[in-house]
Amino acid sequence: DGGITQSPKYLFRKEGQNVTLSCEQNLNHDAMYWYRQDPGQGLRLIYYSQIVNDFQKGDIAEGYSVSREKKESFPLTVTSAQKNPTAFYLCASSMSRQIDYGYTFGSGTRLTVV
Amino acid sequence: AQKVTQAQTEISVVEKEDVTLDCVYETRDTTYYLFWYKQPPSGELVFLIRRNSFDEQNEISGRYSWNFQKSTSSFNFTITASQVVDSAVYFCALSEADWFSSGSRLTFGEGTQLTVNP
Repeated sequence: DGGITQSPKYLFRKEGQNVTLSCEQNLNHDAMYWYRQDPGQGLRLIYYSQIVNDFQKGDIAEGYSVSREKKESFPLTVTSAQKNPTAFYLCASSMSRQIDYGYTFGSGTRLTVV
Repeated sequence: AQKVTQAQTEISVVEKEDVTLDCVYETRDTTYYLFWYKQPPSGELVFLIRRNSFDEQNEISGRYSWNFQKSTSSFNFTITASQVVDSAVYFCALSEADWFSSGSRLTFGEGTQLTVNP
């Protein structure tokens, strides 16, 4: 079945450590996105990529980094510079850059800093 | 910049009641799309509906219906005869062109937590 796979589902990190969240899709979608979800704040865009080897900062990119070396993969690294990384992270993809295509979401990774 | 507002943070109803979730949006574009997503406790967002800015017809899908009014920039969602399985967080979202990247961006509201009690 086609879809988006995020791993791991739960992740614990010590303060000062970098950690990478995985996002893989087999939908042949061009565009991929990372969102952060905090209670009561909805989803906020971290980074997005419309094509391979290209990506743009979203609204809250500070303390995060991404790469898009393959169409299927869009990993997110949460660096030690991110002051409050504990959150639920959602990856999404879209068939096209066009505005009429909705997103397909993964099941998310819950990151906790201990 | 685009913005989506869901003023209702939490709604609690009793099963079989009708409930309406409000969504108000802001955009400078004349062409845009509006979406509703459902997020059950499992966390994954599930697509419910898409509506483009030129189509103001209301839509009904089973117990779900949507009322799109450009004059008030609103895209409200009504669940008729609610059920316990409807309990979830519901997000309204706006998609418009991102001219910087020649693509599109989806902006979400804060979400409404709906609890349907038996």
